[in-house]
This record gives sequence, C-alpha cells and structure tokens, in this order.
Amino acid sequence: EVQLLESGGGLVQPGGSLRLSCAASGFTFSRYAMSWVRQAPGKGLEWVSAISGTGGSTYYADSVKGRVTISRDNSKNTLYLQMNSLRAEDTAVYYCAKDEYCSSTSCSPANWGQGTLVTVSS
Amino acid sequence: QSALTQPASVSGSPGQSITISCTGTSSDVGGYNYVSWYQQHPGKAPKLMIYDVTNRPSGVSNRFSGSKSGNTASLTISGLQAEDEADYYCSSYTSSSTLVFGGGTKLTVL
Repeated sequence: EVQLLESGGGLVQPGGSLRLSCAASGFTFSRYAMSWVRQAPGKGLEWVSAISGTGGSTYYADSVKGRVTISRDNSKNTLYLQMNSLRAEDTAVYYCAKDEYCSSTSCSPANWGQGTLVTVSS
Repeated sequence: QSALTQPASVSGSPGQSITISCTGTSSDVGGYNYVSWYQQHPGKAPKLMIYDVTNRPSGVSNRFSGSKSGNTASLTISGLQAEDEADYYCSSYTSSSTLVFGGGTKLTVL
C-alpha cells in the first residue's frame, strides 16, 4: 500500500524559510516522479512543483519559481520542498503526491498524502 | 498560468447525471490529452478519478466518465449517489511543462 507522510509544516514569519519532507513507502520510490500540490485555506488546488524519479528534472509553478527547490533522496525514500522568502500567500496545506500514468511529457498526481499545514504570518 | 475555469457549483438528485465543465486554452486543455479529474471530500486529500481525459484508475466506479472537445473537458457522473457530494477539480498539462488546476466545483446531491 502506498503511503506518503508529509512533515515540516508550521508557523513561519514572512521572509522566513521552511523545509517540507515527504516519507514514502509501499512502492519503489526511485521509479516514480513526485509532485507537491498546495491548497490555501478554503481555496482550490494549486500545483507547486514536480521532480523526475532520478531527480534530474525539476519543474516549478511561476508563483514559486526562484523561491522553492524540490529535491529527493532515493536512498531515504524521501521527497523535499525547500521554501525560502515565504509570503503570506504561501499559507496552505502542502500535499506530496506520487505521479502515475505518465506519458512522455506528463504524469498525473495519483496517490496523495494527508498534507502538512504551512502558515506564514507575523 | 491562469487556472482552468470550472463552474463554482452544480447539483443533482440521486440517480440523475451531472456534468462538470473545465475550460482552458490551446496551451493546456486543448493542446494535450492530459486532463485529470480529482474528487475531494472535506478535510481529505484529493482522489484521482480520471486521467488522460477518459481513463479511470483501478477501483474508480464506471459511473465517472470524462471527455473533451476543443478547449473544454468534462466530467460526467451518472447515477448520482449521496457519497458523490464533494469538490471536484480538473487539471491539465500545459505547454510550459507544468500542471494547472481548475478552481473547483462543489457538487451537491439534493
């Protein structure tokens, strides 16, 4: 059974940094691309970032580009999201997801964790 | 990248069918057959219901079906059941090699 457990969320001041982690189990982690998707309180889903199985390719939404870095440690079956220069509008539940049903260009986030809440406030 | 356009809400009675639309542009929905649909119950993580416009993951009821015409994709739920009441989101691959979601549609089963 696929399990994804996010951690690292919390309260941070504007301009601060936070690193989110997502511990994966139940599948061969290195074989799958992974994504981060966020959801602001009471709002819709927003795709944030994705990374290939090897970690060699990364993708970012314009809203976080330059402030966020996605990475993975396949030896630890863990996905990361390093977030810097945080803003109030980054406040959201951050979900990690295992991408499946991949074509040559696109995957669908298919299995999701329960999320970790990031609150950016002074 | 602007969010895809979905109706804010739809409703239907048990047993009826409803359709939720998802409108984008030629740079996302219209340009690729990579539209997905997600169901989200309150306080829960999203669940993938449809991928690549028409395909259902294993375990998803065949009451859920997807289609696309031009820049608009659609999710149809037939034989509405009480447990279908949830928020539904579409997503699409884009020409920028990113994903974009719709704003979400709240489905009410009357």
